[in-house]
Amino acid sequence: NAGVTQTPKFRVLKTGQSMTLLCAQDMNHEYMYWYRQDPGMGLRLIHYSVGEGTTAKGEVPDGYNVSRLKKQNFLLGLESAAPSQTSVYFCASSYTGGRVGNQPQHFGDGTRLSIL
Amino acid sequence: AQTVTQSQPEMSVQEAETVTLSCTYDTSESDYYLFWYKQPPSRQMILVIRQEAYKQQNATENRFSVNFQKAAKSFSLKISDSQLGDAAMYFCAYRTLSSNTGKLIFGQGTTLQVKP
Repeated sequence: NAGVTQTPKFRVLKTGQSMTLLCAQDMNHEYMYWYRQDPGMGLRLIHYSVGEGTTAKGEVPDGYNVSRLKKQNFLLGLESAAPSQTSVYFCASSYTGGRVGNQPQHFGDGTRLSIL
Repeated sequence: AQTVTQSQPEMSVQEAETVTLSCTYDTSESDYYLFWYKQPPSRQMILVIRQEAYKQQNATENRFSVNFQKAAKSFSLKISDSQLGDAAMYFCAYRTLSSNTGKLIFGQGTTLQVKP
């Protein structure tokens, strides 16, 4: 039972390079999220998706793009990496966003990304 | 907009003692969920406990319990009989029900040290 899997776990980029972080979940969850974690700031929402083919902006979306072409996958892209995007990135998924079952979010193990 | 504040960046407790982590939040909503997540050095995000705002009874999970004061907008976590494995960063999180997106708003985190 893999749950939420993030690829890669670590990456170092140079300023201006592009890359894609992959999140895959095997729980048939409708809702998926990308967060970034920075010291002293907790986790902040970048983008999220409430179903296959849908995406929406979160709190800190600038410099990132996302796609949800398949229900089980949620991709986070950095088109032109900047040092300010050095962070730990977490993907999460949940069954629903509403009241049903008080479903919590399940998190991946994170990706540590350094931009030089 | 909702905000979550954890005013204690670091806390320490002696093994087998009790410690309380503070969390306050700001919202104009009457119905919502609150969560505590644990993040050990492995970087995993582990759900510790959850509270539904419409329930007056405080949630408990084994050695973990909360003191939910809705009027004061306070949601503290009490860890009894602290163990070395409790050492981690703890995040308080708020989830709105009004938008049906399931988004979480996190506090800044509290690092808990457990002394043997």
